[in-house]
Amino acid sequence: EIVLTQSPGTLSLSPGERATLSCRASQSISSSYLVWYQQKPGQAPRLLIYAASSRAAGIPDRFSGSGSGTDFTLTISRLEPEDFAVYYCQQYGSSVLYTFGQGTKLEIK
Amino acid sequence: QVQLLESGPGLVKPSETLSLTCTVSGDAVSSGETYWTWIRQSPGKGLEWMGSISDDGYAYYSPSLKGRIAISMDTSKRHFSLSLRSVSAADTAVYYCARGLQGFCNTISCYTGSWFDSWGQGALVTVSS
Repeated sequence: EIVLTQSPGTLSLSPGERATLSCRASQSISSSYLVWYQQKPGQAPRLLIYAASSRAAGIPDRFSGSGSGTDFTLTISRLEPEDFAVYYCQQYGSSVLYTFGQGTKLEIK
Repeated sequence: QVQLLESGPGLVKPSETLSLTCTVSGDAVSSGETYWTWIRQSPGKGLEWMGSISDDGYAYYSPSLKGRIAISMDTSKRHFSLSLRSVSAADTAVYYCARGLQGFCNTISCYTGSWFDSWGQGALVTVSS
């Protein structure tokens, strides 16, 4: 089973700054299989990025994803107040198996 | 746009069976395969995929829950259900139902991966006597 490790665990930044969140897989995965979600307190997760770099419908272009192999990155170019949340990466394995990273909490500095 | 809503008891006794239903409404048609899925989140913790059922009725389960979990879908494909046997306090969590897409195509490309594009609001289930 592929393990996803997200770093940092907590990221403290100010509005207007750039955020870089990392997701590392325990073995190489297809970039088609890497996904990012945002979760705010008391809410269900929201799909942000699929296939490593494609923005989901309605997601602002300040969110971007990149990476390949074992290393993937979610970048938020200029943080807005509503971007402070927990972010999860997820991968899809063959035979219909999904795993999530443990999450990165993005908090206001 | 598809909407999902979880329903079921909020309190279950240890060793008993947790049962939840997800009601699907709206336009659930999509390109590629659809996997109707249960995901849970223990208090203050991360997300755990529990299992999925495809539109043609094949069920897939997390290895960590195999033997305790069953997911089924009714013939209308508007409701799917979760059954988790022999629960303990460790099963206390918010349970989400979600729609998983696999083989999705947009105007630019088709993708072999799979992700969850629509989620229910979540249902808190507490296991306690």
